[in-house]
Amino acid sequence: DAMVIQNPRYQVTQFGKPVTLSCSQTLNHNVMYWYQQKSSQAPKLLFHYYDKDFNNEADTPDNFQSRRPNTSFCFLDIRSPGLGDAAMYLCATSRDRGEVGYGYTFGSGTRLTVV
Amino acid sequence: RKEVEQDPGPFNVPEGATVAFNCTYSNSASQSFFWYRQDCRKEPKLLMSVYSSGNEDGRFTAQLNRASQYISLLIRDSKLSDSATYLCVVIPSGGYNKLIFGAGTRLAVHP
Repeated sequence: DAMVIQNPRYQVTQFGKPVTLSCSQTLNHNVMYWYQQKSSQAPKLLFHYYDKDFNNEADTPDNFQSRRPNTSFCFLDIRSPGLGDAAMYLCATSRDRGEVGYGYTFGSGTRLTVV
Repeated sequence: RKEVEQDPGPFNVPEGATVAFNCTYSNSASQSFFWYRQDCRKEPKLLMSVYSSGNEDGRFTAQLNRASQYISLLIRDSKLSDSATYLCVVIPSGGYNKLIFGAGTRLAVHP
């Protein structure tokens, strides 16, 4: 059974049109992360939520926002997608921020195309 | 300089070959190290942790050299199913345990 679920798997959006990607988890983990992975590049952390605390990475563009209405759900909002935002967006969870790498669970990702 | 650097490959090897991947990291205070495997258009999955003493899991052996800030992965007796991208991952010191990924090394095993 999938424990971190991302919807949709594939998303096509128009240049400049706001888009929201969703992530849900059944693990009751405290921490939820959003990573961006462009083609042939390393996954790059955009931000994470530790419970309700939002933690932005210093180099994450303002165009990217996130919401976590409850423990189970986390959303990635891209306010005005540009062609450069086309990527795979990966959601991950961990029980606590003290978890080492084996404690991370990744979703299957959402592949975003901007036209 | 990137925090985690890997040779992008691709490494094209025949079945049964032994192949080694290397990775260097820039933060000498990094505390934890891992290899992840990522299949095409899929999410990364943990392959194994890396310890200073070295560790082995079946055909896979990982080594860490803290003095040289260098991590390696050795795959023996390569199978077709080993074809994937192998990502070197580091957890830097301080703060919470966020994963810093390398861009990955692509392996293609052919019959």
